[in-house]
Amino acid sequence: NAGVTQTPKFRVLKTGQSMTLLCAQDMNHEYMYWYRQDPGMGLRLIHYSVGEGTTAKGEVPDGYNVSRLKKQNFLLGLESAAPSQTSVYFCASSYLQGGRNTEAFFGQGTRLTVV
Amino acid sequence: GIQVEQSPPDLILQEGANSTLRCNFSDSVNNLQWFHQNPWGQLINLFYIPSGTKQNGRLSATTVATERYSLLYISSSQTTDSGVYFCAIRPGNTNAGKSTFGDGTTLTVKP
Repeated sequence: NAGVTQTPKFRVLKTGQSMTLLCAQDMNHEYMYWYRQDPGMGLRLIHYSVGEGTTAKGEVPDGYNVSRLKKQNFLLGLESAAPSQTSVYFCASSYLQGGRNTEAFFGQGTRLTVV
Repeated sequence: GIQVEQSPPDLILQEGANSTLRCNFSDSVNNLQWFHQNPWGQLINLFYIPSGTKQNGRLSATTVATERYSLLYISSSQTTDSGVYFCAIRPGNTNAGKSTFGDGTTLTVKP
């Protein structure tokens, strides 16, 4: 049971390049999330998904797109990277218990630098 | 949206000391979690505690939902406790999964 796994762990992009971050969870969780963390700050929600085939915007969605074609995977895309997107990205998943969304578990993070 | 305020922002302790970290929130919550972000950036689940009290070794947490705060207690601190402690709140008016993180308390434990 690997939990939540993010790929890649590190990446350097040039401005204008595109890339996709992959998040995979093997816990059969319903909900999945993408956050970004900037230096000295807490995490801010980019997008989230409440189930396969559904996505929704979070607090800071601009410049990102997501897809959840399979329950276990949640992809975060940057179509045209900008230096302002330099950050550490975290994926998380959470489960339903008695119809209630409960504890969230996080991946190890992806450190992205846009130059 | 819900406001989450953590205090103190920074805390420096000698090894062996005890500490209390506080998380205040502005609205009713559906759930609350405490995390430890270690110096390598990894987020470690400490407690899922929408209400009541839980203990795990030297750590314990209490959430008083009616008064809109949660406390994290660290006893007999060790250098490995250093890092940033976050509380994350999911508001009570939705089950959609959105969490709001506080800005964290940075704890430094000196040997």
